[in-house]
Amino acid sequence: AQKITQTQPGMFVQEKEAVTLDCTYDTSDQSYGLFWYKQPSSGEMIFLIYQGSYDEQNATEGRYSLNFQKARKSANLVISASQLGDSAMYFCAMRGGTGTASKLTFGTGTRLQVTL
Amino acid sequence: KAGVTQTPRYLIKTRGQQVTLSCSPISGHRSVSWYQQTPGQGLQFLFEYFSETQRNKGNFPGRFSGRQFSNSRSEMNVSTLELGDSALYLCASSEGLRAQYFGPGTRLTVL
Repeated sequence: AQKITQTQPGMFVQEKEAVTLDCTYDTSDQSYGLFWYKQPSSGEMIFLIYQGSYDEQNATEGRYSLNFQKARKSANLVISASQLGDSAMYFCAMRGGTGTASKLTFGTGTRLQVTL
Repeated sequence: KAGVTQTPRYLIKTRGQQVTLSCSPISGHRSVSWYQQTPGQGLQFLFEYFSETQRNKGNFPGRFSGRQFSNSRSEMNVSTLELGDSALYLCASSEGLRAQYFGPGTRLTVL
């Protein structure tokens, strides 16, 4: 079974500052993938970034980067230069290996509030 | 490419009724997954269809069912609605393992 833990229910960050959202995971699969999604109040889940368990480099997508520490089973999201539009819920999720690759297991989310 | 579309966006039903939700994936994507999001249980996987076959299933009762058509569009059906079925139902499509793209969701309210 897979498990995602997000220990920060809420975070505040000032505009233009960087923020790190924590995510730890547990799985017995050797091959897996980790995702981060943003969910604004409208409800849509917006895909941000993906890290495969065998990817050698940490994933980056624009202002988003994933700090992947395999031995610690952590996959923290770093948002640089926060903007007011970044205020939303953020979910960490993982997929398993063959047979469960299409099933995402989600954490409970972190609500990020960007302030002036 | 157009994104994932879901219809309807909002639904209000009463207990005991049934409901059908529709999802059109991104063009070229053959995999469609469904998730239920509630304040109490969070985001939970319902099932996944690939090339018209159910490939994975979550831990939901048999009242929840789905199907996929040859054009990859998918429908999800919930029969004998219960109050606890009130949720945001999200559909996601993918063509590989490195991303699942979600639609805007259908918000179902059961009275």
